Amino acid sequence: KAGVTQTPRYLIKTRGQQVTLSCSPISGHRSVSWYQQTPGQGLQFLFEYFSETQRNKGNFPGRFSGRQFSNSRSEMNVSTLELGDSALYLCASSDRQVNTEAFFGQGTRLTVV
Amino acid sequence: GQQVMQIPQYQHVQEGEDFTTYCNSSTTLSNIQWYKQRPGGHPVFLIQLVKSGEVKKQKRLTFQFGEAKKNSSLHITATQTTDVGTYFCAGPAGANNLFFGTGTRLTVIP
Repeated sequence: KAGVTQTPRYLIKTRGQQVTLSCSPISGHRSVSWYQQTPGQGLQFLFEYFSETQRNKGNFPGRFSGRQFSNSRSEMNVSTLELGDSALYLCASSDRQVNTEAFFGQGTRLTVV
Repeated sequence: GQQVMQIPQYQHVQEGEDFTTYCNSSTTLSNIQWYKQRPGGHPVFLIQLVKSGEVKKQKRLTFQFGEAKKNSSLHITATQTTDVGTYFCAGPAGANNLFFGTGTRLTVIP
């Protein structure tokens, strides 16, 4: 089985722009979660989708949004980019509804200049 | 709010020495997971502990969940250079979202 695939791997954007990141979960996994990883704040939960429904959202501003499609692929969008949004964005998929191991993708490294 | 602290933040060991990282939660956890992230890599699931006082072993790694289900530890016996990375504990924060600990970065000196 193919693992979790995130595209693109690297992005450089300018302040004020918006960005869309993509995540394809492991086949059959319906839960997709997004995390932001920075040296200062560590790994922080952004949001989680299950069967196209957002079930949970972390403590991030409304500039961060996401969605999940019927094939379980997910996208996250960040609008009006700020320098502080520079981070590694990780997507994880799970094969059950709750309390199960998360399979992470390689991440998208976003740099905002 | 929920907090999960890990100590130490950094650990340098000589190859062959043992290593332990401790995870302490401000709230009782229904379960705890451990992940390893190699430098430049992504977190990889190691194990999940569910029961109070549970101890699980994976080769040279021993995981323990505290009796009060608020703390956990990971012990590596006779470290090898392949053990290099950051070890995270994580507790559930609802459905499939995890609240990650601050992590312990392990360096193994050959």
